[in-house]
Formats: sequence, structure tokens, C-alpha cells
Amino acid sequence: DAMVIQNPRYQVTQFGKPVTLSCSQTLNHNVMYWYQQKSSQAPKLLFHYYDKDFNNEADTPDNFQSRRPNTSFCFLDIRSPGLGDAAMYLCATSEIAGETQYFGPGTRLLVL
Amino acid sequence: SQQGEEDPQALSIQEGENATMNCSYKTSINNLQWYRQNSGRGLVHLILIRSNEREKHSGRLRVTLDTSKKSSSLLITASRAADTASYFCATEPNFGNEKLTFGTGTRLTIIP
Repeated sequence: DAMVIQNPRYQVTQFGKPVTLSCSQTLNHNVMYWYQQKSSQAPKLLFHYYDKDFNNEADTPDNFQSRRPNTSFCFLDIRSPGLGDAAMYLCATSEIAGETQYFGPGTRLLVL
Repeated sequence: SQQGEEDPQALSIQEGENATMNCSYKTSINNLQWYRQNSGRGLVHLILIRSNEREKHSGRLRVTLDTSKKSSSLLITASRAADTASYFCATEPNFGNEKLTFGTGTRLTIIP
């Protein structure tokens, strides 16, 4: 089945230690998104790609970077995680920007 | 901010009853979408309604859209324990940014 896969499902890192979260998709969608979701809150868009065109949200901290080496894969790099970066990170794809999004199961990040 | 607000924030009903959730938003939209999120998981797309549509059905789900009031409602009929989840509305503004803004969510609990 076509799907969005996120690895790992749970990630524990130390304060200040770089971490990379990964997302892959078999849907062949052009658009990929990264969201941050804190407990009992709405998902907050960090950035998105339309094909290779990178779009950063104005309020996304510089600490967060992303790479999309090909259509199938997208990575979220957190260069120096702080305690406030502990959250669920959700990857999503869509065939057409602004239309239905397909989400992965998320990666829960814990910062010690 | 375009962020939608959902009402109520939390809702508990008996299995078999109907559940209604409401979403309000601030700017004109191209479409409005509803998503479900089970605890600790990714979001699942339920239904998309376009700005020129007033009502849409999918199985036990009924969505209405009133663009004059900038509001939408999601009705789940004959609720089941498996419907226990958080429900989010998301809007795509019509000023062309092709991104979704998620509402604050309604936490629905179905009591067996």
C-alpha cells in the first residue's frame, strides 16, 4: 500500500546534540511538509517542499533545517535541540499543494 | 492569523449518539478539510469541502460549510468507541499560499 513512513517512531536525544528525523513516501507526491505538534495543540507547519523548491515558514527557528534529496525522501535536522523542541514531528505529502494531505505516523522527540 | 478555532474543545457522548463539532475561521478559503488523530499517531484525512459546496457526506460523516459565517461543522452519526480521537479542521486560504492552517481541535470521547 502507498504510504508515508517516518523513522524512528521515538527519538531520545540530549540537549544540544544534533538529531535527524526521516520521512519517506511511496505516493510519488510532489509536495512534502514537516509539522511540529506539541501536546494538545494544532500541528504547526515548519516548512514544505514543492518538488525541490524549499519554503520556510517565517517563524521556524534557524535551528531547524531540512533536506529533500529526491522525491521519495525528506529529512528534518535539528542542529541543537533544546528542551522546548520536544514534540511530535509529523511528515505529510500531497499531490497538489493545498489539497488533501497524507500523514505519516509521526516521530515523538524527547530531549533530555 | 488564519488559525481556526474548534468548538467544543472536548466532547464526551454515549456510544450510538451523534457527535457534532464546529470550526470557525477568519479569512476566505479555497477549501476546508477535516482530519482525525488518534492518540500519539499521525492525522488521517476524513473529508474535503470546497468553498462552492455547502454540504458533503462520507459514510457516517456529514460536513457543512457556511462561507458567509466562516464556519463548518462535522457530524458523526451513530458514534462508535473507535471514533474516540481528536478532530481537526484545516483551511486553505484563497490568497494563494497553498498551505493548510489547522484549528485547535476537538477531543471526542465515546463512552461504551
